[in-house]
Amino acid sequence: QKEVEQNSGPLSVPEGAIASLNCTYSDRGSQSFFWYRQYSGKSPELIMFIYSNGDKEDGRFTAQLNKASQYVSLLIRDSQPSDSATYLCAVNSAGGTSYGKLTFGQGTILTVHP
Amino acid sequence: KAGVTQTPRYLIKTRGQQVTLSCSPISGHRSVSWYQQTPGQGLQFLFEYFSETQRNKGNFPGRFSGRQFSNSRSEMNVSTLELGDSALYLCASRYRPGQGAETQYFGPGTRLLVL
Repeated sequence: QKEVEQNSGPLSVPEGAIASLNCTYSDRGSQSFFWYRQYSGKSPELIMFIYSNGDKEDGRFTAQLNKASQYVSLLIRDSQPSDSATYLCAVNSAGGTSYGKLTFGQGTILTVHP
Repeated sequence: KAGVTQTPRYLIKTRGQQVTLSCSPISGHRSVSWYQQTPGQGLQFLFEYFSETQRNKGNFPGRFSGRQFSNSRSEMNVSTLELGDSALYLCASRYRPGQGAETQYFGPGTRLLVL
């Protein structure tokens, strides 16, 4: 079993719809969770991070964390064609204040069509 | 403020050769992490350096090594290159390890092709 798992997709949604991206992790000791967006040929860009159970909203993005179910998700509201990218889920098992080892999922390819 | 810079951006090597990649962190950042990204394995942590010392290491063979200089610049070296080492190598910096990974910024990467 992989440490961090994501549906590889591709996930295709129409413009203006809600895109829902999911991620599960195996290490119950994981303490901080991150969503990165990566455009083709570019480096990852952090879009959301969450430490506590529940929802965290930032503009059109909402991250949801359920530690009991070892599940983290990202919702993108009012999806735009510019949101088309690969979304990477990452987990820091040793806590957000420790050293920089992030464990990444394989990524979900999102396509938003006009 | 300038971002993380990596040189070279593109590199072609042949099997058996060695390669050195360079990373200059954001000014004031003293922690540098390295990652490898391949289509098959995804993005994987290689190692992190702080104050010229390796603080954490991923699950890679000893052919992969790194170092950090007193000005926080970091290099990683891959010896005896294999075809499977073809990848995008990403460097990320943050001020210090005690800060959360949300303070970490990635550089543009070095794309290595091994023939």
